[in-house]
Amino acid sequence: GNSVTQMEGPVTLSEEAFLTINCTYTATGYPSLFWYVQYPGEGLQLLLKATKADDKGSNKGFEATYRKETTSFHLEKGSVQVSDSAVYFCALSDQGGSEKLVFGKGTKLTVNP
Amino acid sequence: EADIYQTPRYLVIGTGKKITLECSQTMGHDKMYWYQQDPGMELHLIHYSYGVNSTEKGDLSSESTVSRIRTEHFPLTLESARPSHTSQYLCASSEGVKLFFGSGTQLSVL
Repeated sequence: GNSVTQMEGPVTLSEEAFLTINCTYTATGYPSLFWYVQYPGEGLQLLLKATKADDKGSNKGFEATYRKETTSFHLEKGSVQVSDSAVYFCALSDQGGSEKLVFGKGTKLTVNP
Repeated sequence: EADIYQTPRYLVIGTGKKITLECSQTMGHDKMYWYQQDPGMELHLIHYSYGVNSTEKGDLSSESTVSRIRTEHFPLTLESARPSHTSQYLCASSEGVKLFFGSGTQLSVL
């Protein structure tokens, strides 16, 4: 079945550091890929998405590129801020566009001033 | 941005009690979901609904039950709470491939 594997945390960075959170997937067909973010005490919010190979999703300075050849969707940000401290989830949905997402285990990011 | 609400935000209750976690959305979405989030943060789909009178079990077996009598309302019920039910419960609805989550209910069963 479909699955998502993401980098284990926690990740601790200093402000303005470069961020990469790795995500790889296993799926049949051509899934859509997502990054969700969960700030402390809140539910998850969609951060960015990509629906086909070579698409780049971007939002709030975060980027991720859908790489079919490596089955990856790594999240990057060039300069993190304290306010980026949160848990980040990689997810995929199946080819049929079902909204039943499969989530990775989450990566906790802490950014120190 | 999200108009999806969960109550209560926190619940501490004794073993054997019946509880209902409320979830409501005002966006008119047909599809709604319940996820259980364990302390390690992993999310597990336990129930979903494609519309009124539609309910399905998710990928993780759960002793809870759900109902969908109205589009906007998707409550989750535990008939007899146990300590193993202690967890964070997240409700969501979807528009296309985008999920909208509530803030969650943190349930503690003593």
